[in-house]
Amino acid sequence: EVQLVESGGGLVQPGGSLRLSCAASGFTVSSNYMSWVRQAPGKGLEWVSVIYSGGSTYYADSVKGRFTISRDNSKNTLYLQMNSLRAEDTAVYYCAVFDHYYYYMDVWGKGTTVTVSS
Amino acid sequence: QSALTQPPSASGSPGQSVTISCTGTSSDVGGYNYVSWYQQHPGKAPKLMIYEVSKRPSGVPDRFSGSKSGNTASLTVSGLQAEDEADYYCSSYAGSNNFEVVFGGGTKLTVL
Repeated sequence: EVQLVESGGGLVQPGGSLRLSCAASGFTVSSNYMSWVRQAPGKGLEWVSVIYSGGSTYYADSVKGRFTISRDNSKNTLYLQMNSLRAEDTAVYYCAVFDHYYYYMDVWGKGTTVTVSS
Repeated sequence: QSALTQPPSASGSPGQSVTISCTGTSSDVGGYNYVSWYQQHPGKAPKLMIYEVSKRPSGVPDRFSGSKSGNTASLTVSGLQAEDEADYYCSSYAGSNNFEVVFGGGTKLTVL
């Protein structure tokens, strides 16, 4: 069964850092395009970042220069390193498998909650 | 402010049909046939319902259908059922020179 499980969320002060993990099972992370999407409390979905199977990475303007997407092939795990966190980064963060032919996300994790507050 | 515009709410009685619109620009919805729709129940992860404007993944009832005209995409739910009550989000590819995916603000569908 294809499954994604996020972890690493929590409470962090403004300006702090956090690393989210997304453990995959049933498929190989490095052979797929993988994405992070977030949802602020009571708000809609916002695409955050994508990593291609070839390793290219892209970011939303709102996180560019602060967040880094990466993967560990040996652990079949996707990561999101978040630095210089702001209150507006407070959200549930989902990882998802991204279809790069038709640009949609067809497998989602259950999400991990990040709260940025002093 | 979301890149794609959706009505905040929609409603219908069981058995009726409801259509949710998603308006973008020629740089996203109008420029590509890469519109997808997601259903999200409270406290749950989004679920893919439609991709490539009108295609349904395996397991999604054929009561759900998608279409597009110009810069506006639409999701129609026919034969409304109680379990269809959820938030629905449209999404589109929007990156010609750089990768970008945009979402709509979401529509709360209420089954009366």
